[in-house]
Amino acid sequence: GAGVSQTPSNKVTEKGKYVELRCDPISGHTALYWYRQSLGQGPEFLIYFQGTGAADDSGLPNDRFFAVRPEGSVSTLKIQRTERGDSAVYLCASSLGGFNTGELFFGEGSRLTVL
Amino acid sequence: AQKVTQAQTEISVVEKEDVTLDCVYETRDTTYYLFWYKQPPSGELVFLIRRNSFDEQNEISGRYSWNFQKSTSSFNFTITASQVVDSAVYFCALRGGFKTIFGAGTRLFVKA
Repeated sequence: GAGVSQTPSNKVTEKGKYVELRCDPISGHTALYWYRQSLGQGPEFLIYFQGTGAADDSGLPNDRFFAVRPEGSVSTLKIQRTERGDSAVYLCASSLGGFNTGELFFGEGSRLTVL
Repeated sequence: AQKVTQAQTEISVVEKEDVTLDCVYETRDTTYYLFWYKQPPSGELVFLIRRNSFDEQNEISGRYSWNFQKSTSSFNFTITASQVVDSAVYFCALRGGFKTIFGAGTRLFVKA
């Protein structure tokens, strides 16, 4: 498709389990971002990729969270030993990259519920 | 540190009323970008406008207009003659460097 694609759209898991969330950005977009949005809040920055490398991972809350983008396109956000507080909508966005553009194109998000 | 504040949590108006959504930002960067995004009930964030720190010209796009004032670090968004379809959560965002941070959002209800 033409937009940012995220899978799964919904994920329910039990506390302590491992979860992977996938993002397929717009073709040609070199910059990719992960955000987390809790109910009633704005998107909270997690990590930014330029190409294959994580240029800024300062928003990852702790070492249970990790993200990769091995070929500079699809990205996977990985959460180990999930906790109830990880429940949120995880948003992926992409952009053309570089400083002059800035506009982000968002996917519909992956809603994670940790029971 | 960068920060975006949207003091209005929820606004409710009747159709055809004008409404202004406030946004105040903090940054030490001299070059930065400001944005507004709309998040309808379906959930996907949609880009509305971008403004760079060197361009304080106000902008109008149909029923939407934006007022950027560096002196007060504000980037307010006005919807003229609001419509039910304008009901959504609106986010103001700030980008300095490569990271974009968002405010908490303002939920707008437009009643018929």
